[in-house]
Amino acid sequence: DAKTTQPTSMDCAEGRAANLPCNHSTISGNEYVYWYRQIHSQGPQYIIHGLKNNETNEMASLIITEDRKSSTLILPHATLRDTAVYYCIVRGNSGNTPLVFGKGTRLSVIA
Amino acid sequence: DGGITQSPKYLFRKEGQNVTLSCEQNLNHDAMYWYRQDPGQGLRLIYYSQIVNDFQKGDIAEGYSVSREKKESFPLTVTSAQKNPTAFYLCASSMKAIASTDTQYFGPGTRLTVL
Repeated sequence: DAKTTQPTSMDCAEGRAANLPCNHSTISGNEYVYWYRQIHSQGPQYIIHGLKNNETNEMASLIITEDRKSSTLILPHATLRDTAVYYCIVRGNSGNTPLVFGKGTRLSVIA
Repeated sequence: DGGITQSPKYLFRKEGQNVTLSCEQNLNHDAMYWYRQDPGQGLRLIYYSQIVNDFQKGDIAEGYSVSREKKESFPLTVTSAQKNPTAFYLCASSMKAIASTDTQYFGPGTRLTVL
C-alpha cells in the first residue's frame, strides 16, 4: 500500500505557483520522498526527490518539514503543460526497490 | 522517456490469446520493472528484475510471465489466464541502487485492448 496521502485534485492559475502537499506520517529515517508526474497517456516522469533537506532543480522545489511527516512540491510558475497527475512516493534506498504508486493529485492548470 | 522503448503503442488482441509486450532500454540499467495502470488508478507492480536471468513477482503477477535473458530487454507476456488484461502497461528501468541516485525512468507505455 502507498505510504502517502495526497489530495485528489487541485487547480492552479497559469503563471502562479502550484503547491502540491503530501502527508507521509509513517516515514522512517532512511526513506526518501520522490515525486513523479504523469501526463495523460504517457509514462510517469521523474521530478525530484529528497531525504530531509529542501531540494530544487530545473523543474520544481521540494520542501520537507523538519519532522519529515509531510512535504510540498512547488512548481514556481505553472503552465498549461504542467497539467498532470502528480505522485508522491516514499521509498527506502536499499537495492532497486520498486515504486509504490497511490492515486496521486490531479493538477489542472487553468488559463 | 530516457532511452526506454515500448512497442507497440497500441495493441489489440482477441480474448484467449497470449500477447507479448516489448520493453528495451539502452541506459545500461541493471533493474527493469513492469507496471499496470487501470483508468483513474495508480500504477501497480507486475514483475521486476534486478539482474539478468533473475526476476521477482510484484503485487499482481498472476496471469503474466516475464523473461530477462539480456540486460537491455524485459518482455512481458500477458497470458490467457489474466482475467482482465485490458490496461495501460508501463515498463521502467533503474541503475543498481547507489545512495540517492536510484531513480526509475519509464517508457511511453503500451495500451492493450482485449476484444
